[in-house]
Formats: sequence, structure tokens, C-alpha cells
Amino acid sequence: EPEVTQTPSHQVTQMGQEVILRCVPISNHLYFYWYRQILGQKVEFLVSFYNNEISEKSEIFDDQFSVERPDGSNFTLKIRSTKLEDSAMYFCASSGHRGGETQYFGPGTRLLVL
Amino acid sequence: AQSVTQLDSHVSVSEGTPVLLRCNYSSSYSPSLFWYVQHPNKGLQLLLKYTSAATLVKGINGFEAEFKKSETSFHLTKPSAHMSDAAEYFCVVIHFSGGYNKLIFGAGTRLAVHP
Repeated sequence: EPEVTQTPSHQVTQMGQEVILRCVPISNHLYFYWYRQILGQKVEFLVSFYNNEISEKSEIFDDQFSVERPDGSNFTLKIRSTKLEDSAMYFCASSGHRGGETQYFGPGTRLLVL
Repeated sequence: AQSVTQLDSHVSVSEGTPVLLRCNYSSSYSPSLFWYVQHPNKGLQLLLKYTSAATLVKGINGFEAEFKKSETSFHLTKPSAHMSDAAEYFCVVIHFSGGYNKLIFGAGTRLAVHP
């Protein structure tokens, strides 16, 4: 069964460093998402991406964040200058169709900013 | 605005007894609702979804949920808990915006199953 994969599973970085979180969505899906879950808090929407551009982003997704689909398979989330409060579990998801179609999630990347 | 409220942060049951995880929703239009499960160190797995077809939805691993519009509820149930059901469960509603959608998550309910 096809699944969403994410790398790395864990990442530790120093405050101010850049990190890139990688995702490989399900191959025939067209819509891609990033969510995050700060420890003890709700899973929050960050950004959705379709046709090589951002379709929607949350207030959290400021100029420090960017997303990219560098090739036909990967979908990346970059944080340019990490802050302590960026420590969270980051989930990638993909769906085949935007209108109510199920989003399939990857296993997540746990980011710890020191 | 769309939202979901999970009424219990923790639920503890004995193996073989019924499971009830409660969720209420708020929606300005007919909602699409989901339950996802997260096992320790695993991703979010879809259990079941409601998209305005049958109000009783059956999912994987013996779980089901009933959409009750009059009560704005979408509670998750299972007749007999298994040890492997211990996990965190999220009630989720889709928010449609400008033709795109995003998921709005509840706070989660942690299910513990005791022998």
C-alpha cells in the first residue's frame, strides 16, 4: 500500500540554524500539506501546496518558513533560522483531490531546537 | 468557523470492554469528519471518515462512529477494546477555504487499555 514517507525521523539543531525536512508524498497525489504538533498541543495546519505554489498558509507560516517541490517526488519544508519554539513534530500529508479527499500522513519528523 | 472538541483528554478501559471517545463539532456547513489514530512513535493513521453518506461509519480495527447532527457529535466507539488499541485518537474536521481544504484537529484523547 502506498504511503507518505518523511526524513529524517529526528533532527536536533542549534537555534538560528537552517533545517530542511523532507517528505515523499504518495506518487499520484497532487495536494501536499505540512502540519506540526508542539508537545502537548494540538496538531496545527501550516501550509498547503498545489501546482507548485502555496494555496493556503497559516499565521504560523511566516517568512522563516518555505516549501518546495524540487523534483517530481520530494516535498520539503525549510526553516531558515530556527527558534526554540519551532521544536515540534512536523507531519507531511498528501491527498489526491482537494475537496474532502482524505489526507494521508507521514510518520513525522521530530525537530528539537537547542 | 470549523472546530472540534474532544471531551476527554484521557480514557482508560479494561481489555474486552467497550470504548467510547467523544467528539463534538461546530460547522457552518455540512461537515466532513474524520478520526485519526496515532500510536507511539508512529504517524497519523486514518481510522474512518464521514462525508455525508451513511451516518454510521465503520472503520478499521473494529471502530465505528455515528454522525448525529442534532447533537453535533461524532463519537468513536468499539465494542471490545484490545491492548493494541492503546494510542492517541484525534477527531478532525475539514475546513474548506477558497476551494482548498485543511484539517482542523481536536486536542486528542489518549486511550489506555488495561489487562
